[in-house]
Amino acid sequence: DQQVKQNSPSLSVQEGRISILNCDYTNSMFDYFLWYKKYPAEGPTFLISISSIKDKNEDGRFTVFLNKSAKHLSLHIVPSQPGDSAVYFCAASDPNAGNMLTFGGGTRLMVKP
Amino acid sequence: NAGVTQTPKFRILKIGQSMTLQCTQDMNHNYMYWYRQDPGMGLKLIYYSVGAGITDKGEVPNGYNVSRSTTEDFPLRLELAAPSQTSVYFCASSKSGGGTDTQYFGPGTRLTVL
Repeated sequence: DQQVKQNSPSLSVQEGRISILNCDYTNSMFDYFLWYKKYPAEGPTFLISISSIKDKNEDGRFTVFLNKSAKHLSLHIVPSQPGDSAVYFCAASDPNAGNMLTFGGGTRLMVKP
Repeated sequence: NAGVTQTPKFRILKIGQSMTLQCTQDMNHNYMYWYRQDPGMGLKLIYYSVGAGITDKGEVPNGYNVSRSTTEDFPLRLELAAPSQTSVYFCASSKSGGGTDTQYFGPGTRLTVL
């Protein structure tokens, strides 16, 4: 049973427009959420995170929104750039499981020039 | 500062063979992790270590072994390779084990078992 799900395996967006990547979770004990970005033939790199006590965190073009009641988080990229084309993973941390991360399956974002 | 390095980058094994995936970090991080990533799936934790001499199982430990004799190195051993172990393996490290602590990943090892 996947505790963290990214239901869209891929997303295509025009350069300059907004990209919205979604993530749903089932474990209400998750207290910290992260987004990682992965380019081909490289390891994932940390992008942005949010604590469960907040509903929004912004870092430049990237904003993460958390809706705890819906157990849903989303990553907004505005404006999208071709260099943003990558696979994005959301991950969640459970303090009852040693703070180990549970990852979603990833969404491949393609930003067209 | 190389971060997290992994060797080899690619490997093909025959069923029943064994191999060791190497992982080294130069950031003096206490925590190290091994994940596997199957197509369309997220990363799943195989084993982790909170410091030299201490290791623990993750979500999918069967068929693997680890050791942590130094802070820098965290090798992953596959005994009796099976086709189900075909995957991309990522090693990661973090300074502490808190959920807020960023994990730094190596470039991965792509393993195929035939």
